[in-house]
Amino acid sequence: GENVEQHPSTLSVQEGDSAVIKCTYSDSASNYFPWYKQELGKRPQLIIDIRSNVGEKKDQRIAVTLNKTAKHFSLHITETQPEDSAVYFCAATLPQGGSEKLVFGKGTKLTVNP
Amino acid sequence: NAGVMQNPRHLVRRRGQEARLRCSPVKGHSHVYWYRQLPEEGLKFMVYLQKENIIDESGMPKERFSAEFPKEGPSILRIQQVVRGDSAAYFCASSPLDTNYGYTFGSGTRLTVV
Repeated sequence: GENVEQHPSTLSVQEGDSAVIKCTYSDSASNYFPWYKQELGKRPQLIIDIRSNVGEKKDQRIAVTLNKTAKHFSLHITETQPEDSAVYFCAATLPQGGSEKLVFGKGTKLTVNP
Repeated sequence: NAGVMQNPRHLVRRRGQEARLRCSPVKGHSHVYWYRQLPEEGLKFMVYLQKENIIDESGMPKERFSAEFPKEGPSILRIQQVVRGDSAAYFCASSPLDTNYGYTFGSGTRLTVV
């Protein structure tokens, strides 16, 4: 089955700096890669996603890149703000036998220091 | 257009009791997924259901846990004879019929077993 590794587990940056979170996946047939942001005690919220036919996607200060050959994808947050502080999860989905479940990384706790 | 509704938000059960967690998907969504999140950890897939069908239950313990998504009404995750290790946040997500991408998560049920 699919396995998703996420690094780093914690990341601390100064306000205004960039933050990069990296994930690798194991199954080359995976074709959808979302990123979720989870604030303390709240539900995970989709912030950006990318499909396997695209190499990069950007939405304001957030961008995601995908390298299918290397089987890794990354989240880039520029001009970080204190409200970006949260736990970020990457995920991959593998369509298999009618199941479209997402497999999640273990999360990165991002702290943006004012 | 309400999102995914989960109830209760918090549930306290004594060891050996039953826990019933409810999930109403986004209106029009026919796919429901249940995930479990232990403190400081990622989201672990449990089960994927469509109306009246369990599609993938590979992440759900074979004993004490069951799930259903009836033709009418919410999806139910049922945990019998709860133990302390069942204490976790249980999140439900839904997606529409035409695509299995782009989960919307509910706010979760935080189960505490005392």
